[in-house]
Amino acid sequence: EVQLVESGGGLVQSGGSLRLSCAASGFTLTAYSMNWVRQAPGKGLEWVSSIIISGSTYYADSVRGRFTISRDTAKNSLYLQMNSLRAEDTGVYYCVRGPRSDCSGHDCYPYYWGQGSLVTVSS
Amino acid sequence: KFMLTQPHSVSESPGKTVTISCTGSDGSIARHFVQWYQQRPGSAPTTVIFADYQRPSGVPDRFSGSIDGSSNSASLTISGLQTEDEADYYCQSYDTISWVFGGGTKLTVL
Repeated sequence: EVQLVESGGGLVQSGGSLRLSCAASGFTLTAYSMNWVRQAPGKGLEWVSSIIISGSTYYADSVRGRFTISRDTAKNSLYLQMNSLRAEDTGVYYCVRGPRSDCSGHDCYPYYWGQGSLVTVSS
Repeated sequence: KFMLTQPHSVSESPGKTVTISCTGSDGSIARHFVQWYQQRPGSAPTTVIFADYQRPSGVPDRFSGSIDGSSNSASLTISGLQTEDEADYYCQSYDTISWVFGGGTKLTVL
């Protein structure tokens, strides 16, 4: 069974840093494209970042240069290092996996979701 | 920038059928798969429709998805509405290297 468990959220001051973790089980994380999606309080879903099988990384314009996505093979975990945090980064951050290891492009859509980790940035 | 537009809210009575629309901004909605997610209050999203019309195991066949290229829109239809279907529903598609989500539709089952 695929399980994604996020941790590392919390309260941080504007300009501060935080690192989110996503522990994966039921599959080998490096064999899949992995993603972060966030949701501001009372708002909709927003794609944040992706890391594909090759290790290439992609970011939304709103976080590029401040956030870094990475993964650890030994720990089968995904990370999101968030620096220079702003109030508008406040929200629940979800770790998300696609449907299959061989998907690409539009065939690699959100399928499995973690329970989320709340990040609150105080100004 | 590609965008997906959904109605802010819809409501219907138990046992009835409701359809939620999702319209693409650039006439290309049929070019990429569309997915639908259900999010109950305080919970993470779950997949109810993927690849335009397919249902994950465990999702009842009361949920169905469709694409209408002529109107550049996707639709989620829920038949035989139950009170447990009350939730926010999001459509999602693809743009270059990123995922695009609709703004979400709040379904009220009165």
